[in-house]
Amino acid sequence: GAGVSQSPSNKVTEKGKDVELRCDPISGHTALYWYRQSLGQGLEFLIYFQGNSAPDKSGLPSDRFSAERTGGSVSTLTIQRTQQEDSAVYLCASSLWGTPFQEQYFGPGTRLTVT
Amino acid sequence: DAKTTQPTSMDCAEGRAANLPCNHSTISGNEYVYWYRQIHSQGPQYIIHGLKNNETNEMASLIITEDRKSSTLILPHATLRDTAVYYCIVRAYGQNFVFGPGTRLSVLP
Repeated sequence: GAGVSQSPSNKVTEKGKDVELRCDPISGHTALYWYRQSLGQGLEFLIYFQGNSAPDKSGLPSDRFSAERTGGSVSTLTIQRTQQEDSAVYLCASSLWGTPFQEQYFGPGTRLTVT
Repeated sequence: DAKTTQPTSMDCAEGRAANLPCNHSTISGNEYVYWYRQIHSQGPQYIIHGLKNNETNEMASLIITEDRKSSTLILPHATLRDTAVYYCIVRAYGQNFVFGPGTRLSVLP
């Protein structure tokens, strides 16, 4: 079946520009997560959605980062005024909320390079 | 503060069992042990999870000590495709997954 998809797969942008990253979760998954992974580092949690609301925004590194989810499905992570330290792979995951185990299924990621 | 500690890297010969340890000495009674892996340039992949009993699925076995302070992920017959970073995570229901640096497993021919 269809898994989590993300677009674009690669994005190169100039410092100071805004970027939007998109995530399509698995159909029916109510929880959606954003992570990022810098080169050689582990995963860093950014934000998660339960339905369209985001109860935990504590992982967002600065106010340049925002995310939204509409219709309980697609989510967009927006980074404004990008900086070079924003370069990383941004991963999206989804899961069924309300089940005991909540295995998260990850997308392939978007590789963001800020020049 | 990290909830788990894992060796930075390990090697394993192809066809042999790979045993990946994880220490989680501060684990709470309601926290599960999860294992994920991430093959180069791909998103993380769920492997297995458990609470206190040993678990086995088509990918691996999970051995949890009786005091639950440590666990071992076993890949019974490692192949070159198992080369990846393996993440051990402890979390309770409703908590987010927090990934540490993991163990880089290299399966050698």
